[in-house]
Amino acid sequence: GENVEQHPSTLSVQEGDSAVIKCTYSDSASNYFPWYKQELGKRPQLIIDIRSNVGEKKDQRIAVTLNKTAKHFSLHITETQPEDSAVYFCAATLAGKSTFGDGTTLTVKP
Amino acid sequence: DSGVTQTPKHLITATGQRVTLRCSPRSGDLSVYWYQQSLDQGLQFLIQYYNGEERAKGNILERFSAQQFPDLHSELNLSSLELGDSALYFCASSIRPMTGVGNTIYFGEGSWLTVV
Repeated sequence: GENVEQHPSTLSVQEGDSAVIKCTYSDSASNYFPWYKQELGKRPQLIIDIRSNVGEKKDQRIAVTLNKTAKHFSLHITETQPEDSAVYFCAATLAGKSTFGDGTTLTVKP
Repeated sequence: DSGVTQTPKHLITATGQRVTLRCSPRSGDLSVYWYQQSLDQGLQFLIQYYNGEERAKGNILERFSAQQFPDLHSELNLSSLELGDSALYFCASSIRPMTGVGNTIYFGEGSWLTVV
């Protein structure tokens, strides 16, 4: 089955800096890659997604890049703010089933 | 509010017992997904139903079972509970069976299960 590795597990940045979270996946047939943000004790919420026929997607301060050849995709957050502090999960989806990474705890220090 | 409703929000039960978690998907969504999130762990996909039929199965234990009813609500049954089953159980829903761009899955607030 699909295996997703996510790095780093924790990330601390200063407010205003950029944050990058990387994920690799094992099954080249995976074709949809969402990213979720989960605040403490709350539900995961989709923040951005990308499908396998697209290399990059941007939504304001958030961007995702996908390298199908290398089977990795990354989340980029620019101009980080304290409210960006949360756990971020990547996922690789195949035939409707999403396999999640173990999450990255992002802390943005004011 | 995602529109996905889960009950109960919190549940404490003893080892060996059986519990049922309930989920009402967003209005119009035909797919229901169940995920398990243990403390400091990621999201483990358990099972998916689409319009009453099992669609995909993940790492769901044989002690666990689920179903989706004609009104599209779903129940996750956990039996012979063990301490390690303590976790946050999320239900999610989407309108179509295959997740993808334009078919986002929306998570409920989760049901906290503590097995003592």
